[in-house]
Amino acid sequence: NAGVTQTPKFRILKIGQSMTLQCTQDMNHNYMYWYRQDPGMGLKLIYYSVGAGITDKGEVPNGYNVSRSTTEDFPLRLELAAPSQTSVYFCASIPGGTGGDEQYFGPGTRLTVT
Amino acid sequence: LAKTTQPISMDSYEGQEVNITCSHNNIATNDYITWYQQFPSQGPRFIIQGYKTKVTNEVASLFIPADRKSSTLSLPRVSLSDTAVYYCLVGAPMDSSYKLIFGSGTRLLVRP
Repeated sequence: NAGVTQTPKFRILKIGQSMTLQCTQDMNHNYMYWYRQDPGMGLKLIYYSVGAGITDKGEVPNGYNVSRSTTEDFPLRLELAAPSQTSVYFCASIPGGTGGDEQYFGPGTRLTVT
Repeated sequence: LAKTTQPISMDSYEGQEVNITCSHNNIATNDYITWYQQFPSQGPRFIIQGYKTKVTNEVASLFIPADRKSSTLSLPRVSLSDTAVYYCLVGAPMDSSYKLIFGSGTRLLVRP
């Protein structure tokens, strides 16, 4: 298993541009998450999904959109990028539904908006 | 959602035991307590998870008192490579909405 993969690893955007951060997991996990982490800070939950077709907002959803059309993929869309969205973005997944679940994290996408 | 509170930072020396406590006063009946470790430029890594009493694995122990309003992560004989940020999370995997929120974490510095 590749686990949780994220693309791209790095990206520089200009203000107002849009992009999609890709996240794929091959573990057949039901629950998937997007976090952002600003320098020196903790992780903030952006959006999460408990299964295909189901998404919900986290702590900081403004400026982002997600979709979950398949179990494997959970893309994060940035519309009209702003400098405040400069951050490292982590995708994570867990099996969900039973106890003893650990979150598996992807390697992250480092995004700079200038 | 149960809010967690941890010390912002801790210092230790190689070979010592380190105990990091997390407060979660409004923990719910179905909530589990999970600890993660994060190194710079990497995603968090699962350390240990428990529901009550004591859980031990090859890297750490987790102590949870009977009232479950706090938990303590114990790292035996730390080394320089244990320098990292440690996060405590509380959540219920069996809930239909498993919204996992990270707190600010505890920055552990291990000195030689």
